[in-house]
Amino acid sequence: AQSVTQLGSHVSVSEGALVLLRCNYSSSVPPYLFWYVQYPNQGLQLLLKYTSAATLVKGINGFEAEFKKSETSFHLTKPSAHMSDAAEYFCAVKIDTGNQFYFGTGTSLTVIP
Amino acid sequence: DAGITQSPRHKVTETGTPVTLRCHQTENHRYMYWYRQDPGHGLRLIHYSYGVKDTDKGEVSDGYSVSRSKTEDFLLTLESATSSQTSVYFCAISEGIAGIYEQYFGPGTRLTVT
Repeated sequence: AQSVTQLGSHVSVSEGALVLLRCNYSSSVPPYLFWYVQYPNQGLQLLLKYTSAATLVKGINGFEAEFKKSETSFHLTKPSAHMSDAAEYFCAVKIDTGNQFYFGTGTSLTVIP
Repeated sequence: DAGITQSPRHKVTETGTPVTLRCHQTENHRYMYWYRQDPGHGLRLIHYSYGVKDTDKGEVSDGYSVSRSKTEDFLLTLESATSSQTSVYFCAISEGIAGIYEQYFGPGTRLTVT
């Protein structure tokens, strides 16, 4: 079975500081991994996805994530936080032949001016 | 943005009444999903569809039914709403399942059961 753990339901960073949102997964087979962002009162938007082509994945809005198989992690980072990054972030996993996505419980990012 | 609409966007209903939420897509994607989002639980899959009239249960399907009579529409019905079904409901679509097909989400429906 697949599962996703997001450490830290709330993360606060100062504007201009590094953003690090943690995601660990559990999967019996190599997974596909995704990060989604949700702004208030909106649906989820895809930030980036890992497809096994490269371990470092670049997404929209300056975000990137690194797949580390040995650590079963797919942490999301951004070098310099912007006020507009304040949102909820979800990590998700699926397997190649699977028909379901499994989402983490989300991390709410606050950016302090 | 993927062409996904949900209706209604907000609804308040009383316990015991039936409720139907609609998801409409203009992308002609085969797969459609209904999720509920609750604090501390993230998104949980209720039902999904892999084609017209082809549906299957997800993680939290009790108390919900779905129907898909056309490719573009996926309906979620609460036969007799309960307060525990107060939630935000999201529809998602996907072009495929096997492989790296991401999901695209609708704007959500906020349902309150009093």
